[in-house]
Amino acid sequence: GQSLEQPSEVTAVEGAIVQINCTYQTSGFYGLSWYQQHDGGAPTFLSYNALDGLEETGRFSSFLSRSDSYGYLLLQELQMKDSASYFCAVSPQAGTALIFGKGTTLSVSS
Amino acid sequence: NAGVTQTPKFQVLKTGQSMTLQCAQDMNHNSMYWYRQDPGMGLRLIYYSASEGTTDKGEVPNGYNVSRLNKREFSLRLESAAPSQTSVYFCASSSPSGADTQYFGPGTRLTVL
Repeated sequence: GQSLEQPSEVTAVEGAIVQINCTYQTSGFYGLSWYQQHDGGAPTFLSYNALDGLEETGRFSSFLSRSDSYGYLLLQELQMKDSASYFCAVSPQAGTALIFGKGTTLSVSS
Repeated sequence: NAGVTQTPKFQVLKTGQSMTLQCAQDMNHNSMYWYRQDPGMGLRLIYYSASEGTTDKGEVPNGYNVSRLNKREFSLRLESAAPSQTSVYFCASSSPSGADTQYFGPGTRLTVL
């Protein structure tokens, strides 16, 4: 089968750094994506890794290790507005449907 | 440029009723998708269409049918709604690229009584 594992919940305080891990087991692998979803809203794209290493986009960074079938999303200088659900997703092949994890709910408190 | 639009935003059905959820995109994307989202279950793929004229089943296709009417539009039909189909339905589109970035519509919140 195909599966992605990520923690169900993470809590942190404003200004802190939090890391959301994702391990995957899929029949193929082309890339790992991260999506953010605020309560009642639609998922929106955050970042993508096809090769090993770190990709940085402002306060958010994403890491991939293909040999370990593992990636993470790093959120720095947390703000209240970062409270949301975060989904990792695997592209098994280029141009095919994504496989999503069940999501991690991040709660940021003051 | 509206992106991905979905209608209706909310719908309440009785068991056994039928309805069609509409989705359209104006980004000239080839691929379109239908997901359902239930608490604690993440996003589960119902059907997808890699290009106009083609459709494929996803993880949870039972009880649904789809039509890729043209490049812009991809509809999802429930022929005989069941309470288990109470969910939030998202349509998405993407274009072949390195990231296969998917753009989601605002969702349809469906309740089946």
